[in-house]
Amino acid sequence: GAVVSQHPSWVICKSGTSVKIECRSLDFQATTMFWYRQFPKQSLMLMATSNEGSKATYEQGVEKDKFLINHASLTLSTLTVTSAHPEDSSFYICSARGPSSGGSYNEQFFGPGTRLTVL
Amino acid sequence: TQLLEQSPQFLSIQEGENLTVYCNSSSVFSSLQWYRQEPGEGPVLLVTVVTGGEVKKLKRLTFQFGDARKDSSLHITAAQPGDTGLYLCAHDTGTASKLTFGTGTRLQVTL
Repeated sequence: GAVVSQHPSWVICKSGTSVKIECRSLDFQATTMFWYRQFPKQSLMLMATSNEGSKATYEQGVEKDKFLINHASLTLSTLTVTSAHPEDSSFYICSARGPSSGGSYNEQFFGPGTRLTVL
Repeated sequence: TQLLEQSPQFLSIQEGENLTVYCNSSSVFSSLQWYRQEPGEGPVLLVTVVTGGEVKKLKRLTFQFGDARKDSSLHITAAQPGDTGLYLCAHDTGTASKLTFGTGTRLQVTL
């Protein structure tokens, strides 16, 4: 299957600082990437859809000015958590879907996730 | 929002036991997907069911899509510790291929 990587795998930061998380499709081009957040022992919640070369589409209730998404190339999307606070601590997961991924039924390939802890 | 309710929320069983996980909704879906997520990792797709009444098998895992395409089940035979994880059903909203995940079932299989 297609491989999606995330960096870093975990990060600890101080309250008020910004953190950038990278999501890369390693062996295919992804026109669309998705960012999810997962709190402990809960399911995944979609935050936003990242489209290469255009603005991201955010889900209801997700602050676009706080969670900045950039999809500058067909293999890289970044999520920047600005002015992070302890309540932003969570597991952030990206996924990628592209025309050459080989999947069917809109299969998405997920990254391994990034655990963010804000002190 | 088309809500996918999974039951049970948590299941702890011993190796060798059988179990069934359910995914229910009041909405009709063109397809449903099942994922397994291990701690500290992203979800991995197990199967996609498309046709009402469809049954798919993946080794000891049997997936069924309801006749009305509103629900699905996952049955595991002779569970093993390696089956431990969070099982998630999901459906494609059809809008920009967005996935909506179910509430999840956390399975723990002990020796």
